[in-house]
Amino acid sequence: GQNIDQPTEMTATEGAIVQINCTYQTSGFNGLFWYQQHAGEAPTFLSYNVLDGLEEKGRFSSFLSRSKGYSYLLLKELQMKDSASYLCAALDSNYQLIWGAGTKLIIKP
Amino acid sequence: GAVVSQHPSWVICKSGTSVKIECRSLDFQATTMFWYRQFPKQSLMLMATSNEGSKATYEQGVEKDKFLINHASLTLSTLTVTSAHPEDSSFYICSARDIEPVAYEQYFGPGTRLTVT
Repeated sequence: GQNIDQPTEMTATEGAIVQINCTYQTSGFNGLFWYQQHAGEAPTFLSYNVLDGLEEKGRFSSFLSRSKGYSYLLLKELQMKDSASYLCAALDSNYQLIWGAGTKLIIKP
Repeated sequence: GAVVSQHPSWVICKSGTSVKIECRSLDFQATTMFWYRQFPKQSLMLMATSNEGSKATYEQGVEKDKFLINHASLTLSTLTVTSAHPEDSSFYICSARDIEPVAYEQYFGPGTRLTVT
């Protein structure tokens, strides 16, 4: 079957760095997305990785290892507004998104 | 670019009535639109995939006669919740994929919060 695993909840301190991990098992693989979702709002796109390696975009970076079925989202210089759920989603062989349950990130002052 | 709108943003209806939710891609054409449901503190649950000009593909466990989907044009898909019940109260989110996807990214609408009383 197809499966995405990510931690349910994480807590970090304002100004610090946090890494949210995601492992996936899919029928075929055409890339991995990270989305941010604030409570009561729709998800917003953060990153897309299809090749191995690290993609950096401002304070946010995303890493992919296809051989390990593993990705992480790295958030630097955390701000209170980064408190949100972070959704990992893998694109399978049919180009359907398989969603993780999301990681709720709590930022403390 | 790549803006998706939903209407209404929130709706309250009485049990037994039907509610229609519209999803529009404003600045691009979308051959494929997706309908999701999200209960509080839970992740997105894909309900159905809607392709322009053809019948929607429903996920297992989603009643196609209860959740009617129409994708009549490249910029509009509608979801009608028929004979709504309180357990249908949820956050409904649509997303759209561009006709020429660069990375198969889905662009999400702002969501519709449905409350059935």
